[in-house]
Amino acid sequence: GESVGLHLPTLSVQEGDNSIINCAYSNSASDYFIWYKQESGKGPQFIIDIRSNMDKRQGQRVTVLLNKTVKHLSLQIAATQPGDSAVYFCAVKGYSGGGADGLTFGKGTHLIIQP
Amino acid sequence: NAGVTQTPKFQVLKTGQSMTLQCAQDMNHEYMSWYRQDPGMGLRLIHYSVGAGITDQGEVPNGYNVSRSTTEDFPLRLLSAAPSQTSVYFCASGTAGYEQYFGPGTRLTVT
Repeated sequence: GESVGLHLPTLSVQEGDNSIINCAYSNSASDYFIWYKQESGKGPQFIIDIRSNMDKRQGQRVTVLLNKTVKHLSLQIAATQPGDSAVYFCAVKGYSGGGADGLTFGKGTHLIIQP
Repeated sequence: NAGVTQTPKFQVLKTGQSMTLQCAQDMNHEYMSWYRQDPGMGLRLIHYSVGAGITDQGEVPNGYNVSRSTTEDFPLRLLSAAPSQTSVYFCASGTAGYEQYFGPGTRLTVT
């Protein structure tokens, strides 16, 4: 099966700095990866995704990097703002008990923005 | 579009009671799923469906039933509530294997 590991449960950054949130996965055959943002009391919201045929993908102020050699995924947030304060989850398409199309989630990193 | 809607938003049950958590989506997605979220545990898949009439178990299915009679609706039934089922429940829909859209969640407490 697939497992998704967490590097840091909490990350504290200064407003305006860049944030990097890391994630590791176990199945080298995984071909789709996704990052979600969850604000307090709300459901997870899609941020950005990447397929295994890419190493990097950029969105608005966010970049996802995929290193398939070491099975590592990271989310970079540029110029962190107070509104970025949330829990961030990575998820991997894999055999989580949800069949080949199920998403396996990591435990999440709580990003705290210091003024 | 309303996206994914869930009712109720909050619920308190006594041990042994049963109830149904409702989930509906208006995006015509074939794939729908239920997750539970516990502190420090991330999201864990309970049941999923790849289309009307087709359901299957996820990672933590015990104590829950689902059915899918229409594309739009995917209710989750708790057969006999236990304190271990105290959690936040999220319904999601999307294209199988790719981005899933989540509802706002149902916060359930079992006493």
